[in-house]
This record gives sequence, C-alpha cells and structure tokens, in this order.
Amino acid sequence: AQSVTQLGSHVSVSEGALVLLRCNYSSSVPPYLFWYVQYPNQGLQLLLKYTSAATLVKGINGFEAEFKKSETSFHLTKPSAHMSDAAEYFCAVSEGSAGNMLTFGGGTRLMVKP
Amino acid sequence: GAVVSQHPSRVICKSGTSVKIECRSLDFQATTMFWYRQFPKQSLMLMATSNEGSKATYEQGVEKDKFLINHASLTLSTLTVTSAHPEDSSFYICSARRPVNYGYTFGSGTRLTVV
Repeated sequence: AQSVTQLGSHVSVSEGALVLLRCNYSSSVPPYLFWYVQYPNQGLQLLLKYTSAATLVKGINGFEAEFKKSETSFHLTKPSAHMSDAAEYFCAVSEGSAGNMLTFGGGTRLMVKP
Repeated sequence: GAVVSQHPSRVICKSGTSVKIECRSLDFQATTMFWYRQFPKQSLMLMATSNEGSKATYEQGVEKDKFLINHASLTLSTLTVTSAHPEDSSFYICSARRPVNYGYTFGSGTRLTVV
C-alpha cells in the first residue's frame, strides 16, 4: 500500500526566503511522485513529477524537488518565495506507473509574509 | 493541451434535491476519470474511479446510490449527488487520466452547498 505524509500543515515564510515543504512517502514498488498546488476554490495544478528519471526534478514557477530513495522523501523547494506562491500544496504518490491511482498527502498551506 | 472542464463551479441547492456535476476532457480522450471530495482545510479523498462504458468503482464508505457516476463517453463523466443533505456540502474535484504519458489533469472543482 502507498501513503504520503506531509510534515507541517502550515508553513510560513517571508517573501524572498527559501521555501521548503516536506513530503515522505511509503510504497511497496518504485513510486511515481507528484507535487500539486491548489489556489482557493480551484482544482489542482501540477508543479512537477518524478517518474524514475533524474532525481532532481524542476517544475514550474521556480519549484524543484529531489527524490531521495534512502530517506523516502520528495521535498519541494524554491529558493525565493513570492507572495503569489501562497497556496495549498499537495504531495502525491502512485505505485508502479504514473497512471495508477494517486494517493495524496494531507496538504501544506504555505503563507508568504511581506 | 490536456484541459479538463468541470461545471458548475458553484451550486447551491435545497435539501432533498439532486445535483449533477460534469467533468469534460476537452482535448483528449479519457478512459478513466476520478472523483474526489475535499472538506475545508483537508486533503482530497478519492470517492470513485469512473471508467468509460462500465460501472464506476467506489471507495470504501462511499454510497454508490447517493453519488451516481456515469461515464458514457470518452470525454464526459458526471457525478450526481442524489437527495442532497447539508452534510454533502463540500468541494468536489474531478481528474482525468491522460492516455499518453499518463499523468492527471484536474478540473477546477465544484463548490456544493446544500441548504
């Protein structure tokens, strides 16, 4: 069975500061990992995905994530936060294929202070 | 490309009535679509997997007679909340699995309020 844990339901950073959102996964087979962003009253937008290629994945809006098998982690980072980054972020995993069922973490609300 | 349109974005209905939510893949064929429910400040909960031309597969604890799912074509899946009650008020999101390179595209969600 697959599962995802996002440490920290709320993260607050100052504008221009580093953003680090944590995600740990559990999977019985090689995982496919995703980060999505959700703005209020909207659906989910894919930020980036890991599909067993390069372990450092670059996504949209300056975000990137690194797959670390030894730590079963897929943390999301951005060097410099913008006010527009304030949103809910979800980490998700699917087992064995990018097309298998997604399991979502609990989400992390990112707040950016001016 | 890979756009999923979900309508309506917001709906308010009276208790006891039924509400239909549509999820359309605009530029690709989706043999599989998923319906999620999201409570305030919580994550997405998978309700059911909708397969074109066959019955939907519901997750444990989801009432199939209350949440009717129809996937009659490769571009359209509908979720009907029957005999809605205030506790059905929630944010419902659909997603469609893309046939090439897989991955998912999400609809923009439907805010259902039952009064």
